[in-house]
Amino acid sequence: SQTIHQWPATLVQPVGSPLSLECTVEGTSNPNLYWYRQAAGRGLQLLFYSVGIGQISSEVPQNLSASRPQDRQFILSSKKLLLSDSGFYLCAWNKLASHTDTQYFGPGTRLTVL
Amino acid sequence: GDSVTQMEGPVTLSEEAFLTINCTYTATGYPSLFWYVQYPGEGLQLLLKATKADDKGSNKGFEATYRKETTSFHLEKGSVQVSDSAVYFCALSPSSGTYKYIFGTGTRLKVLA
Repeated sequence: SQTIHQWPATLVQPVGSPLSLECTVEGTSNPNLYWYRQAAGRGLQLLFYSVGIGQISSEVPQNLSASRPQDRQFILSSKKLLLSDSGFYLCAWNKLASHTDTQYFGPGTRLTVL
Repeated sequence: GDSVTQMEGPVTLSEEAFLTINCTYTATGYPSLFWYVQYPGEGLQLLLKATKADDKGSNKGFEATYRKETTSFHLEKGSVQVSDSAVYFCALSPSSGTYKYIFGTGTRLKVLA
């Protein structure tokens, strides 16, 4: 069966510090991968998605970036965090095959920028 | 563009009450429709889905029917429990194959004992 991991689970970082969040998927190959952010009490904002290694699409211009160095690894980064980057970051995956396929979410990373 | 509209929360119910959370959508063609649930501090879990008109998705006592004529996918449960307290998200996957889900803003449900 497939599983999706995210780490760290929680993170407290000062403003201006760098960020690296990691997401890995097990039990499947060539998944679509997604990064979402959920601000407190808000809905989901799609940040990036990837349909293959090295292929990243950005949905929202900001100081975050994403990379996909391996088929089942998706990394979210920032060189300098802002207060507004605080939130709950969710990674998700689904298969490339069809719009009927379910998107599966990881457990999330709670980021607090102070 | 495609969109999903959910009823505003929070929704507060007593245990064993009937639940309805409204969801309507705007999309071309025949999108797939989903309900996800998020418990505090956790990621989203798929609750149910429907991929074509008149399909009924069901799971754990929850149901939703894909109504093309009213562009709706309302979530219902006949008797809620305290453990159902969570945030519920309606989502659609466009039939155009853009790989991107469109999520509603979420509806918080609180069930009181």
